[in-house]
Amino acid sequence: KNEVEQSPQNLTAQEGEFITINCSYSVGISALHWLQQHPGGGIVSLFMLSSGKKKHGRLIATINIQEKHSSLHITASHPRDSAVYICAVLNFGNEKLTFGTGTRLTIIP
Amino acid sequence: EPEVTQTPSHQVTQMGQEVILRCVPISNHLYFYWYRQILGQKVEFLVSFYNNEISEKSEIFDDQFSVERPDGSNFTLKIRSTKLEDSAMYFCASTYTSYEQYFGPGTRLTVT
Repeated sequence: KNEVEQSPQNLTAQEGEFITINCSYSVGISALHWLQQHPGGGIVSLFMLSSGKKKHGRLIATINIQEKHSSLHITASHPRDSAVYICAVLNFGNEKLTFGTGTRLTIIP
Repeated sequence: EPEVTQTPSHQVTQMGQEVILRCVPISNHLYFYWYRQILGQKVEFLVSFYNNEISEKSEIFDDQFSVERPDGSNFTLKIRSTKLEDSAMYFCASTYTSYEQYFGPGTRLTVT
């Protein structure tokens, strides 16, 4: 069973700050998702990674397969980035995602 | 951009009643999933569905639950006799390749 840990659980920052959210997992995976969950509850997929790094606008996601670790970075953070960010991993040989507990990000203007 | 849709957005039901949650996946997708999130907890996998049959299910997905793709576009989750502990947000997801999953907006189920 893959254990997915995220840190920090809660993060409050000032607008404009550089944000890093971390995710580690215990068993090798085929892919990792970063998801965003807004206060209304809907989930949006931000990235799917199996190696290296991806960038979309102000968001950057990296993964280190050997260290079983991924990070999500937000540059020039904005209050609209306030949400829960969830890491979810896809294990080899099966189809289900295993989710972390999420990081609640609050950006203060 | 194509998206996964779910109806209703909120369902209130009495304990013991049957509920059907509906999802319309993205049209060319082949793999379909249901997840749930109890308030304040992490998202949990319920079931995956491919080629008109269940491909994997969790221990949560007991005989009270069933899934169906009745008409080639809808994907439904039925809970036969709801319990208080079934109150949760239910998310449908779909994918073409079984890698990147696209999530619906969720249905909030409240069992009273």
